[in-house]
Amino acid sequence: DTGVSQNPRHKITKRGQNVTFRCDPISEHNRLYWYRQTLGQGPEFLTYFQNEAQLEKSRLLSDRFSAERPKGSFSTLEIQRTEQGDSAMYLCASSFLAGPQETQYFGPGTRLLVL
Amino acid sequence: QQQVKQSPQSLIVQKGGISIINCAYENTAFDYFPWYQQFPGKGPALLIAIRPDVSEKKEGRFTISFNKSAKQFSLHIMDSQPGDSATYFCAASKATSGTYKYIFGTGTRLKVLA
Repeated sequence: DTGVSQNPRHKITKRGQNVTFRCDPISEHNRLYWYRQTLGQGPEFLTYFQNEAQLEKSRLLSDRFSAERPKGSFSTLEIQRTEQGDSAMYLCASSFLAGPQETQYFGPGTRLLVL
Repeated sequence: QQQVKQSPQSLIVQKGGISIINCAYENTAFDYFPWYQQFPGKGPALLIAIRPDVSEKKEGRFTISFNKSAKQFSLHIMDSQPGDSATYFCAASKATSGTYKYIFGTGTRLKVLA
């Protein structure tokens, strides 16, 4: 068990370009979350998958954002036509619900800079 | 009602001292309150968590105190060490249609002086 991994760790892109991030959760975890963290702030929820089904999306997730989790394993987050306001750390977390509460395990994040 | 308010924004403590970080919430439906530690360039790592039916939980040098009536909870770091220097986030969650998304506070940057 190597924990949650995310790639790339850093991404610099020009405004208007498309970017895609990948998250590989802990292998037995069927629940996967994406969060966005801007400088000096706590992470904010973007979207949630249970297995391959995307069950909730935040209002923060505009139509330029799309997330997938084919086969319920890794997940991708794509941002189309990037804007400077998209610059942030994108965090992935995974979990396995084994009781009334849930502990989420975070990856190291992908830091995006849009020029 | 979804906000979690965290204070202070930053904290400087001498080595061996006690670090105290406070959080307050509005939504009484929250039923899980984790604390995360984040080092620069890293993702948040779970430190300790508590449920509202417990008033205190201790793990090593870290203690959560929970006041349900005041809708407040706090993290105490005893015998603070320079290696504890990091940003700490409180969070709250509740089950909503199977989702346990976390609502995070704004973070407290802790610096422990050697």
